[in-house]
Amino acid sequence: GAVVSQHPSRVICKSGTSVKIECRSLDFQATTMFWYRQFPKQSLMLMATSNEGSKATYEQGVEKDKFLINHASLTLSTLTVTSAHPEDSSFYICSARESTDSNQPQHFGDGTRLSIL
Amino acid sequence: GQNIDQPTEMTATEGAIVQINCTYQTSGFNGLFWYQQHAGEAPTFLSYNVLDGLEEKGRFSSFLSRSKGYSYLLLKELQMKDSASYLCAVRDGVYGQNFVFGPGTRLSVLP
Repeated sequence: GAVVSQHPSRVICKSGTSVKIECRSLDFQATTMFWYRQFPKQSLMLMATSNEGSKATYEQGVEKDKFLINHASLTLSTLTVTSAHPEDSSFYICSARESTDSNQPQHFGDGTRLSIL
Repeated sequence: GQNIDQPTEMTATEGAIVQINCTYQTSGFNGLFWYQQHAGEAPTFLSYNVLDGLEEKGRFSSFLSRSKGYSYLLLKELQMKDSASYLCAVRDGVYGQNFVFGPGTRLSVLP
């Protein structure tokens, strides 16, 4: 089955640090990947749609200069949380769908738990 | 606007059957998905409906009525490991790529 790898799984760092999270589709190509944020006991909230070779599409209320997304290849998207602050602490999850079949579900990475001190 | 509703919490007994409902109002519809999410982990795919009716997959079944904007996930022969959150998601968007997630239902299975 389709596998999405997300790294790192956990980050603890000081306020003001920039953190990069990688999302890779291991056995399929994904022209589009999605980045979600999930606060405790809440559902997934879409942050942005990452498109290979073009700019990401951000959801309303998500600062594009704060959350930098780079989709450099058909198998890799990165999310960089710049100058992170404690309110950015959350569970970040990426997902991808096999490009050729629109009926396929999204497959999720294992998520990254970000804690900003 | 987009609106997906699910019960917040449910409790059931091991070995029993539980039905988790999902109602949706979205600007477009291109399929409804159910995901299971254990605490602290990423969601895993359970089922997919795009046409009306029942889809069965082992202990899990999912039903869709597009005219009513309604779906349910049926879990049979409940096991303790089924304690998790269950997320209903509707695929929307111009190209059907965007997913809108419901708030999730936290299911607790008791012995």
